[in-house]
Amino acid sequence: DTAVSQTPKYLVTQMGNDKSIKCEQNLGHDTMYWYKQDSKKFLKIMFSYNNKELIINETVPNRFSPKSPDKAHLNLHINSLELGDSAVYFCASSQGRTGGKNEQYFGPGTRLTVT
Amino acid sequence: AQSVAQPEDQVNVAEGNPLTVKCTYSVSGNPYLFWYVQYPNRGLQFLLKYITGDNLVKGSYGFEAEFNKSQTSFHLKKPSALVSDSALYFCAQGAYNFNKFYFGSGTKLNVKP
Repeated sequence: DTAVSQTPKYLVTQMGNDKSIKCEQNLGHDTMYWYKQDSKKFLKIMFSYNNKELIINETVPNRFSPKSPDKAHLNLHINSLELGDSAVYFCASSQGRTGGKNEQYFGPGTRLTVT
Repeated sequence: AQSVAQPEDQVNVAEGNPLTVKCTYSVSGNPYLFWYVQYPNRGLQFLLKYITGDNLVKGSYGFEAEFNKSQTSFHLKKPSALVSDSALYFCAQGAYNFNKFYFGSGTKLNVKP
């Protein structure tokens, strides 16, 4: 069973389009994250949700809008895609709200290519 | 602000030799430290963590890491490298007050036969 799953795995689209990435975890965790990994493999957190509540928003452009319908799902919607949005987006989850002492479990990633 | 440094972009080691991937952190007090591995076109996999207690932490796939408070380091080690260990390794530090990780820039490990 896949612990953290993302769809789609690959996404190729044109500038200006709107797209969504979905994430689901079956670990029973109450915190979920979105990360962006750029072409140099640098990982940067974008958002974190705990029990459907936004707790971290790392000054991401407001074209990016996360939505958490329940604590097992965290989706990422991106409006007006730009070339610079091309990256691999990872979803992750962990247990607990406060304190970074719990390991995070990552999904397989979604490779977004904007042309 | 917390930060994590991985001073080596790449580490090359021969199969069967010991390996070390370096990580230093910057925060006072007792940090929460993690190692992850990323294979090509895959997500990050958790290897091990240090929260408190014994300075030598053992993890998955025969890896271990040594927490050194005086040197603010948390180096990843393995006594005998395998070709299959070749991957990208990330060190991370967890924030105290909320669920946030600060990741290092990653170190590519190449194990040659």
